[in-house]
Amino acid sequence: DGGITQSPKYLFRKEGQNVTLSCEQNLNHDAMYWYRQDPGQGLRLIYYSQIVNDFQKGDIAEGYSVSREKKESFPLTVTSAQKNPTAFYLCASIFSPTNTGELFFGEGSRLTVL
Amino acid sequence: GQQVMQIPQYQHVQEGEDFTTYCNSSTTLSNIQWYKQRPGGHPVFLIQLVKSGEVKKQKRLTFQFGEAKKNSSLHITATQTTDVGTYFCAGRIKAAGNKLTFGGGTRVLVKP
Repeated sequence: DGGITQSPKYLFRKEGQNVTLSCEQNLNHDAMYWYRQDPGQGLRLIYYSQIVNDFQKGDIAEGYSVSREKKESFPLTVTSAQKNPTAFYLCASIFSPTNTGELFFGEGSRLTVL
Repeated sequence: GQQVMQIPQYQHVQEGEDFTTYCNSSTTLSNIQWYKQRPGGHPVFLIQLVKSGEVKKQKRLTFQFGEAKKNSSLHITATQTTDVGTYFCAGRIKAAGNKLTFGGGTRVLVKP
């Protein structure tokens, strides 16, 4: 079945460590997105990529990094520079960046910093 | 900056009653989408509205896009326990390159 797979589902990290969250899609979508969701809050855009080998900062990019070496993959690294990384991270994709259709979301990765 | 605001933030509804959640933008939207996120889950697309004044229905859910394309509403009739979750609106702002901006969501709790 086509979809977006995020891993791991749950992740615990010590302060000062970098962690990488995986996002893979087999929907043949061009554009991919990373959102952060805090308890009781909406979705805030971290980074997005409209095409392979290109990505742009979203509204809260500080302390995060991404890569888009393959169309199917858009990993997010939460660096030690991110002051408050504990959150629910959602990856999403859309067929074309100019497509005004729906976003498809993965099931999310819940990161907790101990 | 450009924002999409949703009210109320929380909605406690008696099972069987109706309720409405509202979404307001400071700028004109190209279109607006609504998503539902069940507790512990991920957002799932419900609908998209494009035209000024557009109204769409999905069973007990009625979605409306304002005439000025700056606001939208979601009305649920005869609320059921399956309606529990957070409803997000997300607007595409033409002035921002059609970037999708999410509202803060309305968290719906249903009292049986």
